[in-house]
Amino acid sequence: DQQVKQNSPSLSVQEGRISILNCDYTNSMFDYFLWYKKYPAEGPTFLISISSIKDKNEDGRFTVFLNKSAKHLSLHIVPSQPGDSAVYFCASLSGGSGNTGKLIFGQGTTLQVKP
Amino acid sequence: DTEVTQTPKHLVMGMTNKKSLKCEQHMGHRAMYWYKQKAKKPPELMFVYSYEKLSINESVPSRFSPECPNSSLLNLHLHALQPEDSALYLCASSRRGSYNEQFFGPGTRLTVL
Repeated sequence: DQQVKQNSPSLSVQEGRISILNCDYTNSMFDYFLWYKKYPAEGPTFLISISSIKDKNEDGRFTVFLNKSAKHLSLHIVPSQPGDSAVYFCASLSGGSGNTGKLIFGQGTTLQVKP
Repeated sequence: DTEVTQTPKHLVMGMTNKKSLKCEQHMGHRAMYWYKQKAKKPPELMFVYSYEKLSINESVPSRFSPECPNSSLLNLHLHALQPEDSALYLCASSRRGSYNEQFFGPGTRLTVL
């Protein structure tokens, strides 16, 4: 059972425009969410996170929105740049044993930004 | 130093070999993790260490044996692996606690022949 879902396997946008990546989750106990970016043959790079006590968090060109009632979050990248082309993973952090979290990843969305 | 390093970058091993993957961080993080990632799939958690003690084992087969010799180092010992164990193995670290970002190393690409 997939607890974190990214229903769009791929997204293509023009340079300078907005990229919107979506993520849904099923477990209402999840209360912390993260976005990671991954290039091929590299480890994921942390981008931005949001706690459930907020509905928006912004860091430069990246903004994450959280809609708790819909169990939905989205990552907005404005303006998109060709270097943003990568796989983007949404993840939730569930409290594990000893208060050390377990990341649960979505399937990823491949973003292509065309020059 | 905000880096997680992993060695080797690539590893090819036979099913009877014994090898080890190494991970190191100097960010003072007290939680360290091993993830496995197959092609076109998301990373999947294998093990979590908190304060050098194993706190989560996601029902990983015993042919994978983790070790945390000190707060900066994490090893994954491999023995009698199967070809289906071929994957990218990722190490991560974080400050202790649930609500902390995990920082990943570049991974070790493992091929089991």
